[in-house]
Amino acid sequence: AQKVTQAQTEISVVEKEDVTLDCVYETRDTTYYLFWYKQPPSGELVFLIRRNSFDEQNEISGRYSWNFQKSTSSFNFTITASQVVDSAVYFCALSAYYSGGGADGLTFGKGTHLIIQP
Amino acid sequence: DTGVSQDPRHKITKRGQNVTFRCDPISEHNRLYWYRQTLGQGPEFLTYFQNEAQLEKSRLLSDRFSAERPKGSFSTLEIQRTEQGDSAMYLCASSLGYGVGKAFFGQGTRLTVV
Repeated sequence: AQKVTQAQTEISVVEKEDVTLDCVYETRDTTYYLFWYKQPPSGELVFLIRRNSFDEQNEISGRYSWNFQKSTSSFNFTITASQVVDSAVYFCALSAYYSGGGADGLTFGKGTHLIIQP
Repeated sequence: DTGVSQDPRHKITKRGQNVTFRCDPISEHNRLYWYRQTLGQGPEFLTYFQNEAQLEKSRLLSDRFSAERPKGSFSTLEIQRTEQGDSAMYLCASSLGYGVGKAFFGQGTRLTVV
């Protein structure tokens, strides 16, 4: 069975602060995919990143960075110099490797509601 | 607009009625997925199609739920004899190829069963 835990239900920070969203996962698979999605108030899920379990390199994309640590089963997401537009619910998700990294059988966490105050 | 579109955006129905939702994926995408999201929870996988073939169904998809994708284009999700527990956001997503492309989600259909 797969499980994704996002322990932070809600985080509120002031604009320009850095913020880290935690994600811890459980799986019996030795190979798998991890994802982060953003869900703004409009409702659609916006893909942010997909990482396969072979690749433990951290990734940076503009103000976003991800820290994947297989040893602790964590895939944390940091936003640097947060902006009001970053306000949204952020979901971490996990899928089995046979999915090929598609969106079938994704197991999502409950999400972290991020509020960026001006 | 070339994104995933879902219709209707909102649906209110009485318990026991049947409802049908439609999803139009991005035109060249051959994979289509349905998810359900209840308030305060992450989305839960329901089913997915590769072209017109339904390849996997979650145990969440009871006998009252049926999904189709005729001709491998748009998809419909029907719920028969709706129950209050069916109230949720139903999300559709599409992607290109096997393990190639990221999935794009629609804005969802919010179902309220009264």
